[in-house]
Parts: sequence; C-alpha cells; structure tokens
Amino acid sequence: EAGVAQSPRYKIIEKRQSVAFWCNPISGHATLYWYQQILGQGPKLLIQFQNNGVVDDSQLPKDRFSAERLKGVDSTLKIQPAKLEDSAVYLCASSWGGTGNEQYFGPGTRLTVT
Amino acid sequence: KNEVEQSPQNLTAQEGEFITINCSYSVGISALHWLQQHPGGGIVSLFMLSSGKKKHGRLIATINIQEKHSSLHITSSHPRDSAVYICAPLKGSNYQLIWGAGTKLIIKP
Repeated sequence: EAGVAQSPRYKIIEKRQSVAFWCNPISGHATLYWYQQILGQGPKLLIQFQNNGVVDDSQLPKDRFSAERLKGVDSTLKIQPAKLEDSAVYLCASSWGGTGNEQYFGPGTRLTVT
Repeated sequence: KNEVEQSPQNLTAQEGEFITINCSYSVGISALHWLQQHPGGGIVSLFMLSSGKKKHGRLIATINIQEKHSSLHITSSHPRDSAVYICAPLKGSNYQLIWGAGTKLIIKP
C-alpha cells in the first residue's frame, strides 16, 4: 500500500512570495489533515477535510493560507504572501474515514522563508 | 497545565535496555496515538489504542482510560529506535489530536 505522498520535500522562498504544497493521501482515505510543525514544537492542525468538505479550519490563518481538496482526493495548501514565521515543516496526514481512525503521515515539506 | 504530559522528556539508554515512556492526559478521550518522529521530520504512527494493550514487534503500548494513562514500552532497545516518541490523544467530536511534547530517546550501542 502506497503511503501519503507530499511534494516538494523542501522549499526555500523569500518573504512575501507565494508557495504551494501538494498532498496525495492513501487511496480510499476520506479524511485529510494539514499540520504545521515549527522547529521544537508539536504539530498544529491547520485544516481537516472529510472528502472535499472542511471539517475544521479554526487554526488556519485565512488571511494568507488557503487549502482545497477538489474531488476529495489530492489537496493543495497555499501560502500567499509568506512571512518569516511560516518557516516550518508542513505535514499532510490521512485516515480512512470518520475522524477517529488512525492517521498516516506523509514525509512533510520543509519550508524556509528568508 | 498541559492537557498531555509525557515523561521523561529525554531518555538515554544502552542498547538492549527495556524502555518505558509514560503519558498522562487530563481530558476525556476516545483513543490515543503513539507516534515516532525521526530527525528530518517524518512521523510514523506506531499504535492507536482505546483500551488494553497492543504489541507490534518489540513495541508494546498500554492504556488505562479510567486512570487517563498510557505507556509505550520498547524491549531489547536498539540504536535505530532513537527518535522522538509522541503521545497524542484524540478528543472532541472531530477527534482532534492533542500532541504531547514528546520524549527524545537516544539508544547508545
């Protein structure tokens, strides 16, 4: 079974630039999560999708972050414009369905904003 | 007070030792994840459990929902077990993960 795929693995941008991350969950997983993990801290949930609907985006900074999951499969997370404090690892995870199931994590995208 | 407390925060042991990492939480939960994070950021789910005990290879996880406590044990520890181990209970109607601070484990050969 293929795992959660993310790209790119690494990205370096200057502040005020835009960036997009892509996630392909495990086939058949209805629930998809995006987390932000700042160095030395635990992951923070940014947004949670159930199929193509948003379950929770309460911690997503909506003035600069956006996410979509068209067709309920792949998802993209965008930051526009980026700030220095956005430097972090962005993790995507998926689970079968119903949010109580075990989450499987992708390798993450390490973003550095200079 | 944090909703999830892990102990110890750091643990260094010799290869072969029996390792125990403890997790206590203060909220009602439906289940609990134990996760492993290696340097470089990748997170792997080791267990999700809601009662009793689970075993996978040299890893054993137990949970006591009434006492709000879970433990992760590693038998015959090996240097490749060196990583950060995170306890993350699931709470709320959205089963949101509450992340513990993690235990940094180093196994010396």
